[in-house]
Amino acid sequence: NAGVTQTPKFQVLKTGQSMTLQCAQDMNHEYMSWYRQDPGMGLRLIHYSVGAGITDQGEVPNGYNVSRSTTEDFPLRLLSAAPSQTSVYFCASSSEYPDTQYFGPGTRLTVL
Amino acid sequence: GENVEQHPSTLSVQEGDSAVIKCTYSDSASNYFPWYKQELGKRPQLIIDIRSNVGEKKDQRIAVTLNKTAKHFSLHITETQPEDSAVYFCAASISNFGNEKLTFGTGTRLTIIP
Repeated sequence: NAGVTQTPKFQVLKTGQSMTLQCAQDMNHEYMSWYRQDPGMGLRLIHYSVGAGITDQGEVPNGYNVSRSTTEDFPLRLLSAAPSQTSVYFCASSSEYPDTQYFGPGTRLTVL
Repeated sequence: GENVEQHPSTLSVQEGDSAVIKCTYSDSASNYFPWYKQELGKRPQLIIDIRSNVGEKKDQRIAVTLNKTAKHFSLHITETQPEDSAVYFCAASISNFGNEKLTFGTGTRLTIIP
């Protein structure tokens, strides 16, 4: 099992550009989520999904979109990148909620 | 929504001594409290969790205590070792249908001094 994978590992964007952060898991987990990690602010929930076709907003959803067409994949889309979105992004999954969250390796995003 | 406060933000402990990290939460409906460890440049990993029907849980050198009345929970690490150096995050969650959100504290950077 690869667990939770994320691509890319690093990304630099210019203000106004859009992009998609990929997240996939091969553990057949129903619950998936996206967090951003900023210095001194811990992990903040962006969006989450309790199963294919179901998504909901977390604590900081503005500027981000998600969809969940399959159990395995949960991409995060940045619509129009802003410097405030410079952060490390983690995807996580769990078999049920609440339960152990398995995190991906993270994507370090810089917006210039 | 839920608010989780975590203290201290940094903690230095002599190797072999104990370390204690404390968190408070705001929503009395929260019923699941995990702790995650994040080593430098790595992903967070669960080290221990506790549910609201239990007051204490131990796993070798790690223990978590929960005081529902005061709405706080703590992580205790005994006989600390260099590999315990990391950032530790507490979290709280209400596990109701339609409200599956995990709220994290801001983290504690623990340094073990050899």
